[in-house]
Order: sequence, then structure tokens, then C-alpha cells
Amino acid sequence: QKEVEQNSGPLSVPEGAIASLNCTYSDRGSQSFFWYRQYSGKSPELIMFIYSNGDKEDGRFTAQLNKASQYVSLLIRDSQPSDSATYLCAVIPPGANNLFFGTGTRLTVIP
Amino acid sequence: NAGVTQTPKFQVLKTGQSMTLQCAQDMNHNSMYWYRQDPGMGLRLIYYSASEGTTDKGEVPNGYNVSRLNKREFSLRLESAAPSQTSVYFCASRRPPDTQYFGPGTRLTVL
Repeated sequence: QKEVEQNSGPLSVPEGAIASLNCTYSDRGSQSFFWYRQYSGKSPELIMFIYSNGDKEDGRFTAQLNKASQYVSLLIRDSQPSDSATYLCAVIPPGANNLFFGTGTRLTVIP
Repeated sequence: NAGVTQTPKFQVLKTGQSMTLQCAQDMNHNSMYWYRQDPGMGLRLIYYSASEGTTDKGEVPNGYNVSRLNKREFSLRLESAAPSQTSVYFCASRRPPDTQYFGPGTRLTVL
């Protein structure tokens, strides 16, 4: 079983809509969770991190963590064409000091 | 403040050739990482260095060696390149407690 699972997509949403990206992880003891954005041909760029159950908001982005169900989600409000990218979920399992990544979800925002 | 830099940006090798990928960070971080990214596989850890003078294997270390030259620099060496090492290589450094920042990447093709 992979540490981190994501739906590869592609996910298409119209401009102005809410994009919802989901991620599940296998190790119940994981404490640190990250969302990265990666444009085609570029390196991953950190968008948000979350450690506690519940929601964390930063501008148009909201990360949601549910440790009981072992999932993390990223909501993008008022989606823009510039949000079109691959979104990578990453987790640090207990005892590890490196990130374990999902394979990413490709998002396309249609003007 | 350049963050994490990598050289070269692109490289084409023939099977059996050797090369060193260079990485440097100017953020005074202790921990540095080398990942490879392949289609459908996500980012996978090759080696990491928790501090100057220490290195440890990650998920996919075979065929690679690393050197933590000083606090700033962490290099990745392919002694005898194979087509299976065709990939995009990313270096990252970690800001405590656990946020990682990535360099621009090296796109390597082994013929």
C-alpha cells in the first residue's frame, strides 16, 4: 500500500468555481501534511502545510485535515486559469524526516 | 537570496558515463534531500543529509552516491549511468521543523 494516494485526475473546473483536491494516507500516526503546486516543467512549490485536525485558510486556499479518516484535502476558491497545475500531497510518517508524496492531481481551470 | 540552486538544468548522457549533479542552498538549513520524479511514480527520495557530514539512503538509492561537502552544498553522483536513471532530479532543503523547499531541477536523459 502506498503511503499517500491521490486521484490523478485530470480535474477540470470552470473559472470562478471551487476546486476540491483529495489525498489519503496510510500511516495513522502521521503528523505533518503538505500541499505543493507544480507547474509543467517546474519544481514543486509549497502552498500550505497543516498539522492539526480541521481547516487552515490562506487566501483562496483552504487545507482540511481529518486524522480519524486519514485524509487531507485542498480547496481552491474562485479558481483561476493560473491555478492550472499538478497538486502534490505530501506526508511525513512517524519516525521519518523526509516527505512521502502522492503522484499528484492535475487540475485544469477552464476560462 | 537564491534559495536552492541546481546545476546543470539539462544533461544528456550515454550509458556508462558518470556525472555529478550539484545543489546549493543559502538558507542556512541543516537538512538537504535528493529526489527523483518519474511519470506516474511521484517524487521519490534518493538520499538525504540531516546535517553536514552525515548522509542516509532513501527509498531508491541504488546507482547513486552523495556528498555533503559543507552546510551549503549537497551533490549527487551517478557513477555509471543507466537508461533507468532518466528522470528529473530535484534537490530540496528543509526549514525547521519540516517544511521543504525545492530547487529548479535537473532533467537527465540517459541514452
